[in-house]
Amino acid sequence: DVKVTQSSRYLVKRTGEKVFLECVQDMDHENMFWYRQDPGLGLRLIYFSYDVKMKEKGDIPEGYSVSREKKERFSLILESASTNQTSMYLCASSVLAVSGANVLTFGAGSRLTVL
Amino acid sequence: GQNIDQPTEMTATEGAIVQINCTYQTSGFNGLFWYQQHAGEAPTFLSYNVLDGLEEKGRFSSFLSRSKGYSYLLLKELQMKDSASYLCAVVDSNYQLIWGAGTKLIIKP
Repeated sequence: DVKVTQSSRYLVKRTGEKVFLECVQDMDHENMFWYRQDPGLGLRLIYFSYDVKMKEKGDIPEGYSVSREKKERFSLILESASTNQTSMYLCASSVLAVSGANVLTFGAGSRLTVL
Repeated sequence: GQNIDQPTEMTATEGAIVQINCTYQTSGFNGLFWYQQHAGEAPTFLSYNVLDGLEEKGRFSSFLSRSKGYSYLLLKELQMKDSASYLCAVVDSNYQLIWGAGTKLIIKP
C-alpha cells in the first residue's frame, strides 16, 4: 500500500522555537508538497519540490523553509515558530505529470500548536 | 482573484442521496478534483473531471459543467462511513491547485 508518512502527528512548541516537520514517501514520486489546513479555508500551498534539492515557493512561504536532500524525504522547517503558525500541516506527493490529472497522495497530517 | 465555493456543512440521512456543489472562478481550467477527508485523516482522491458530463464510480458520481464553472459530487445510498469533509479543487492555467474550504457532511441514522 502506497504511503506518505509524517513523522509527528501532534506537536506542541513554544514561540521562537525551531520546528522540523518530516515527510517520507515510498512511491518514488518526483513531486512533494507542504500544505497547511485551517478551519474555513482551503488548503494553502507553502512549498513544493519537483526534484531532489529543488524547491519552489507556494502561496504562503513566509516564515517557512524546506529541504529535500533525498527523493523520498521532504522536510518543512519553521525557523522561529509563532502562534499564527498553529495549524494542521499536510504533506503530499505525486508523480511528475505535466497535466491537470496529477493525483495527490497525502499524509495524515501534523497538528502543530505554538504557545 | 481565484475562488472556489462550496457549502460549509450539509446533513443527510443514511440510505438517502446527497449532492455537494462546487462553483469556481479561476484563471483557466485544467480539471477539477474531489477528495474525501475523514476527521483526523489524510485527504483521499475520489474523482477527477476535465470534460463536461457525469462520471460514475459506484455510489459516487461527479459532474462538471465548464461553461457554468460548476461541479457536484453525488453520493447515493449514504452510509455512516460517508461522514467526512469533501474537498473540491480546481487546476488552473498554471497547473496549480486551487482548493475550496471543504464541505462537512454529517450522516444521521
